[in-house]
Amino acid sequence: AQTVTQSQPEMSVQEAETVTLSCTYDTSESDYYLFWYKQPPSRQMILVIRQEAYKQQNATENRFSVNFQKAAKSFSLKISDSQLGDAAMYFCAYGGATNKLIFGTGTLLAVQP
Amino acid sequence: DSGVTQTPKHLITATGQRVTLRCSPRSGDLSVYWYQQSLDQGLQFLIQYYNGEERAKGNILERFSAQQFPDLHSELNLSSLELGDSALYFCASSDWAYGYTFGSGTRLTVV
Repeated sequence: AQTVTQSQPEMSVQEAETVTLSCTYDTSESDYYLFWYKQPPSRQMILVIRQEAYKQQNATENRFSVNFQKAAKSFSLKISDSQLGDAAMYFCAYGGATNKLIFGTGTLLAVQP
Repeated sequence: DSGVTQTPKHLITATGQRVTLRCSPRSGDLSVYWYQQSLDQGLQFLIQYYNGEERAKGNILERFSAQQFPDLHSELNLSSLELGDSALYFCASSDWAYGYTFGSGTRLTVV
């Protein structure tokens, strides 16, 4: 069975600085997707970024980028130029052949002004 | 608006009661997924429907059931409610070109 691990329950970053959230996963599948979702205090689940496993190029969405290391089964999220609105819970998620998403336990990111 | 509509947004009910949560997927999406998020917890997969048929089951209690109708909307039925069922229930629909899109959730409080 696939698992997703987020080893950082909480992180803090200064406004305008860069922070990296870690995520590792375990799978025997070769074709899958990885996602980062943001959950602000409103509890809405917002897709931040996604990565197809067959693509070697790391995905980027504006200030958000990932470091995808397939062999190491690592999928970290880098947030550049952090803003107060980035404060939220961030979930890493795996989507494979079963199509259901498997979520990590989340990392609560605080942004200090 | 994500395109996935969940109703109601909030629900308060007593133990032992039965409730129905409703979800309309994003236009064109055939798959609907239900997730449960308890306080300060991650999301736990409950069940998936695809074009009216059950596709996958997760840790869904026998007191819970779901269905997807011909118009693709889905309902999650929770019966014999217990205090521990209080949670945020999310519905999501998917198009693998974009990944999952989540609704805004139904916050269920059992008192």
